[in-house]
Amino acid sequence: DVKVTQSSRYLVKRTGEKVFLECVQDMDHENMFWYRQDPGLGLRLIYFSYDVKMKEKGDIPEGYSVSREKKERFSLILESASTNQTSMYLCASSSRAGTIYFGEGSWLTVV
Amino acid sequence: DAKTTQPPSMDCAEGRAANLPCNHSTISGNEYVYWYRQIHSQGPQYIIHGLKNNETNEMASLIITEDRKSSTLILPHATLRDTAVYYCIVRARDSWGKLQFGAGTQVVVTP
Repeated sequence: DVKVTQSSRYLVKRTGEKVFLECVQDMDHENMFWYRQDPGLGLRLIYFSYDVKMKEKGDIPEGYSVSREKKERFSLILESASTNQTSMYLCASSSRAGTIYFGEGSWLTVV
Repeated sequence: DAKTTQPPSMDCAEGRAANLPCNHSTISGNEYVYWYRQIHSQGPQYIIHGLKNNETNEMASLIITEDRKSSTLILPHATLRDTAVYYCIVRARDSWGKLQFGAGTQVVVTP
């Protein structure tokens, strides 16, 4: 079975804190993605990576950075969390031109 | 704007087939039809996809019209665990992670 695992399901952080969201996939997929999902706004792509150490900005990269040091792992970093980054964050992966599979999501609340 | 149109909601009796329609009249020749579902507070789950032929897997069947302007997802024997929001998406295989989720169809399966 396809498996994308996000390290934390629920997090509460304070404004200004540095936040790390970790994601691991066990399918040897080349591509990995980070999205956020908000009511009324749908799914929005933050960053994606098509290879180790490679990254590309998505539609809303401001306030975020990413790291991909190993093929199976893709981290999303909020350098200084703000309340408008309260959201559900979804990690996903796919083979080069294949189906995108999602993790269970991480609910982040910034207070 | 989403490239697909789905009814906002649908009820289905447990054990009966659920037929979920989707219109995608502007679909391009290289775009596939993908279906995902999202159970409350979880990440989207991949169901099935197709290009122009009908497809079936262990979860569902996908019927695509000959002109490819619409499709129907069929859940053959709905269970209570099939209650979710179902999303129909059109996507070119080389479009990276740019998925456009519309509002989807809220399916409620009742006993």
